[in-house]
Amino acid sequence: GQNIDQPTEMTATEGAIVQINCTYQTSGFNGLFWYQQHAGEAPTFLSYNVLDGLEEKGRFSSFLSRSKGYSYLLLKELQMKDSASYLCAVRDSNYQLIWGAGTKLIIKP
Amino acid sequence: IAGITQAPTSQILAAGRRMTLRCTQDMRHNAMYWYRQDLGLGLRLIHYSNTAGTTGKGEVPDGYSVSRANTDDFPLTLASAVPSQTSVYFCASSPGTDSYEQYFGPGTRLTVT
Repeated sequence: GQNIDQPTEMTATEGAIVQINCTYQTSGFNGLFWYQQHAGEAPTFLSYNVLDGLEEKGRFSSFLSRSKGYSYLLLKELQMKDSASYLCAVRDSNYQLIWGAGTKLIIKP
Repeated sequence: IAGITQAPTSQILAAGRRMTLRCTQDMRHNAMYWYRQDLGLGLRLIHYSNTAGTTGKGEVPDGYSVSRANTDDFPLTLASAVPSQTSVYFCASSPGTDSYEQYFGPGTRLTVT
């Protein structure tokens, strides 16, 4: 079966750095996505990785290792507005997204 | 620019009733998707359409049907609602199936009693 695993909840301090991990087992791989979802709102796109390595976009970076079936999202200089759920998704061989359950990130002052 | 809209925002529905959730996008995207999101579970794909006139089944299609008569609209119908269909429903679109990003509508919160 297909499976995406990520921690259910994480807590971090404003101004700090947090790393959210995602491991996956899917039938085929055509890219890994990270989305942000604030409570009661729709998911919004953060990043996309299809090759191994680190993609940096401002305060957010995403890393991929295809051989290990592993990705992480790194958030730097945390702000209160970063309190949200972070969703990991993998595009499989049918070009459909398989989603993890999401990691709820709580930022404390 | 509206992007992608959904209606209604929320709905309470008696079991056994028929209900259509509406989704419209003005971005001329080819691909459209319907997901449901339940607490503790990831988004699950119900149905999708790669282009107008075609539809396909996702991971959890039972009890749902869709149509794609034109590029802009992708309605989701529950023929006879059951309590297990209580969920938040998101419609999404993308330029193509291999696009970087899916754009999500604001969601419909459906409660079946």
